Amino acid sequence: DAKTTQPPSMDCAEGRAANLPCNHSTISGNEYVYWYRQIHSQGPQYIIHGLKNNETNEMASLIITEDRKSSTLILPHATLRDTAVYYCIVRANAGGTSYGKLTFGQGTILTVHP
Amino acid sequence: EAGVTQFPSHSVIEKGQTVTLRCDPISGHDNLYWYRRVMGKEIKFLLHFVKESKQDESGMPNNRFLAERTGGTYSTLKVQPAELEDSGVYFCASSQEPGLANVPGQKSSYNEQFFGPGTRLTVL
Repeated sequence: DAKTTQPPSMDCAEGRAANLPCNHSTISGNEYVYWYRQIHSQGPQYIIHGLKNNETNEMASLIITEDRKSSTLILPHATLRDTAVYYCIVRANAGGTSYGKLTFGQGTILTVHP
Repeated sequence: EAGVTQFPSHSVIEKGQTVTLRCDPISGHDNLYWYRRVMGKEIKFLLHFVKESKQDESGMPNNRFLAERTGGTYSTLKVQPAELEDSGVYFCASSQEPGLANVPGQKSSYNEQFFGPGTRLTVL
């Protein structure tokens, strides 16, 4: 079962920042927060991940609260092509047999409108 | 560099028939994963190969599903016999070293799973 909670849907105007929240109150100390997205009819696409520090790459920024119980994915200038389902995933660290798998929840449907 | 490829893109079969899905991971990726999304449900993990070995097959729904990765390159997922509830989209993903997430300074192209476009399976 997914260990994260996300709003089912959000809207954003093109060119504005999209801020997608995620709650993961039961996250363990060695678990990372990953974000993927799925654009219609494509396979999921990796966006970003982090442990406790904020992270930024060419696609997005990830802000993780100090207690690590929640995070926010920020798309700084949303475009129409960013319309997708966004998944926040808590992923097990190395060790054990199941460290590799991703556990997807329902995600957030982000609609970027003109 | 070629991404993860899957074949076929679509398959329509009748209940009771056999179907084999194929996944070609990114060259050099030891880790290969199968996932599926059945209608109206979330994407679910099926299994994880490290090279030719099954690291985790906890998500395989039943013994009608058989995954192989002989030689540690491409993988096949066979469904025999197919049932109506097997309809859905089957995704394959590959990655380099999933276990390096905790290495300080290790950035994560190693941990990123690259997904293929999926195979849409319809069982009639």
